[in-house]
Amino acid sequence: GAVVSQHPSWVICKSGTSVKIECRSLDFQATTMFWYRQFPKQSLMLMATSNEGSKATYEQGVEKDKFLINHASLTLSTLTVTSAHPEDSSFYICSARITGLHGYTFGSGTRLTVV
Amino acid sequence: SQQGEEDPQALSIQEGENATMNCSYKTSINNLQWYRQNSGRGLVHLILIRSNEREKHSGRLRVTLDTSKKSSSLLITASRAADTASYFCAAFGGSARQLTFGSGTQLTVLP
Repeated sequence: GAVVSQHPSWVICKSGTSVKIECRSLDFQATTMFWYRQFPKQSLMLMATSNEGSKATYEQGVEKDKFLINHASLTLSTLTVTSAHPEDSSFYICSARITGLHGYTFGSGTRLTVV
Repeated sequence: SQQGEEDPQALSIQEGENATMNCSYKTSINNLQWYRQNSGRGLVHLILIRSNEREKHSGRLRVTLDTSKKSSSLLITASRAADTASYFCAAFGGSARQLTFGSGTQLTVLP
């Protein structure tokens, strides 16, 4: 149980285009989802916290106009990388907290390559 | 948020040996969690230890927590080649009550 499905698993796009990444909670409702970014051989850095029905909370240094987050339902949160540039190439992972268990469940990640 | 540190950054051992990874964190915590990540994949939750606990076991995993030193360790006993992965500690707590990840340890278990 408590599975988060993340799509796509990988995507290659041209500079200047936008890419949408989806995360769905399959068997539970996720009021809050978290979006992380991970560069090769590095740890996860929290980008933003996505709250259902309200605006996302962004970490310091993360451009909210570039990384658009939408959490319109209790089972779906999306991250859109707008006007992507090569430096946006990274591994993006979403997660949701598992109520009552204090742990978190993570999506399988999206490898974004901007060429 | 400030990232915690883990050591070693990389660890290579023979199958059957034990692997110990250490983690230090900077804020007060409610709990500390350990995750595993296979290359290019998402994270898998391994074990959680609460701030009022000192040691916890789960199968071949043993976690210790020393809140006075703000440190934790993960011991994997009788390692297997399939244990090869990156291991991250994550501290939950602080004023923002969010998960802050350590820098990770890349474990390689040689068959």
